Amino acid sequence: DAKTTQPNSMESNEEEPVHLPCNHSTISGTDYIHWYRQLPSQGPEYVIHGLTSNVNNRMASLAIAEDRKSSTLILHRATLRDAAVYYCAPNAGNMLTFGGGTRLMVKP
Amino acid sequence: DSGVTQTPKHLITATGQRVTLRCSPRSGDLSVYWYQQSLDQGLQFLIQYYNGEERAKGNILERFSAQQFPDLHSELNLSSLELGDSALYFCASSASGNEQFFGPGTRLTVL
Repeated sequence: DAKTTQPNSMESNEEEPVHLPCNHSTISGTDYIHWYRQLPSQGPEYVIHGLTSNVNNRMASLAIAEDRKSSTLILHRATLRDAAVYYCAPNAGNMLTFGGGTRLMVKP
Repeated sequence: DSGVTQTPKHLITATGQRVTLRCSPRSGDLSVYWYQQSLDQGLQFLIQYYNGEERAKGNILERFSAQQFPDLHSELNLSSLELGDSALYFCASSASGNEQFFGPGTRLTVL
């Protein structure tokens, strides 16, 4: 299974961009990189996923390194509602491997 | 609201007992996944079913089993419960195998 490494926590100011990094150096060539977030007392929520190219959706952008050993989730303007634990999770054959996640704190 | 429902919300039981957790996937989703979330192990994939058939297996103990029924709902059976089985159990469903939609979870407490 691909192992992931994320910072335990990060802090951001409201309305500012946030870059959440993830190392997944053991990822295989066919594993998609997924990001989920978990708000307090809720189940994980899908954010974005990609394979090789950078991806954008209404929630965030995903920048994937050329060697695919790392990726960065970008929240363009953090809001208080974005305070959550963010997980990167390589997807190998429909199996998501979650790491420890990054707890994002957003200051008003 | 993800559209995935799980019952019960909370479950308190004793060591050695057996419990069944239930999951109803989003309408039309053929895949169901089960995850365990505990403080020491984090969020771990247990098992996946696709249209009634087991598709992938993760770190699922032999004391645990699951099945998916013809109406696509799924049940996770946990037996000979131990204190260490206390955790949040999430069910997720998906149509494409990419985006997974998670339910609100069942909190199991083993005393």
